[in-house]
Amino acid sequence: DQQVKQNSPSLSVQEGRISILNCDYTNSMFDYFLWYKKYPAEGPTFLISISSIKDKNEDGRFTVFLNKSAKHLSLHIVPSQPGDSAVYFCAASASNRGSTLGRLYFGRGTQLTVWP
Amino acid sequence: NAGVTQTPKFQVLKTGQSMTLQCAQDMNHNSMYWYRQDPGMGLRLIYYSASEGTTDKGEVPNGYNVSRLNKREFSLRLESAAPSQTSVYFCASSSREATEAFFGQGTRLTVV
Repeated sequence: DQQVKQNSPSLSVQEGRISILNCDYTNSMFDYFLWYKKYPAEGPTFLISISSIKDKNEDGRFTVFLNKSAKHLSLHIVPSQPGDSAVYFCAASASNRGSTLGRLYFGRGTQLTVWP
Repeated sequence: NAGVTQTPKFQVLKTGQSMTLQCAQDMNHNSMYWYRQDPGMGLRLIYYSASEGTTDKGEVPNGYNVSRLNKREFSLRLESAAPSQTSVYFCASSSREATEAFFGQGTRLTVV
């Protein structure tokens, strides 16, 4: 049973516009969320994270929003660039909670394509 | 600054052959993971180790075994390779609280 879901397998956005990638989770014990980016033939690389004590975290063109009541987070990329074309994975962890401590749960990923 | 190192990068096996994928991290992380990535399936967890000497099954453990003999190294073994195990395998490590995690570059395995 997937505890982290990315329901959109792909997203296509024009260069310069906003890309919004969505992620839902089911486990209320999750309190830390991460986004990873993956290019072909490379390992996933960390992009941005957010703790559940916040509802927004920003790093340059990347902003992650967390809605705990809806168990939903989103990654905004503004403005989108062709180099952003990659697979984006959402991940969650229960950073200080019992038996799930120390384990990351990943979504299936969203392929973002940014076209000129 | 090696991070997570996986070997080999590429491997071709015949059905029924065995092999071990090696992974080592130098970040003093407690948790280590093995994932496989297949088209349209994202990252699926094979096995997970929260600390030295402990391992737990993930989503797709059948046909695999793992070994966490020390804090640095976490190996994945295919005892009798099958074509369904053709995939890209990623090793990762994370802090105990899993608030950061790093991946290796992957092993592309083909079973013919």
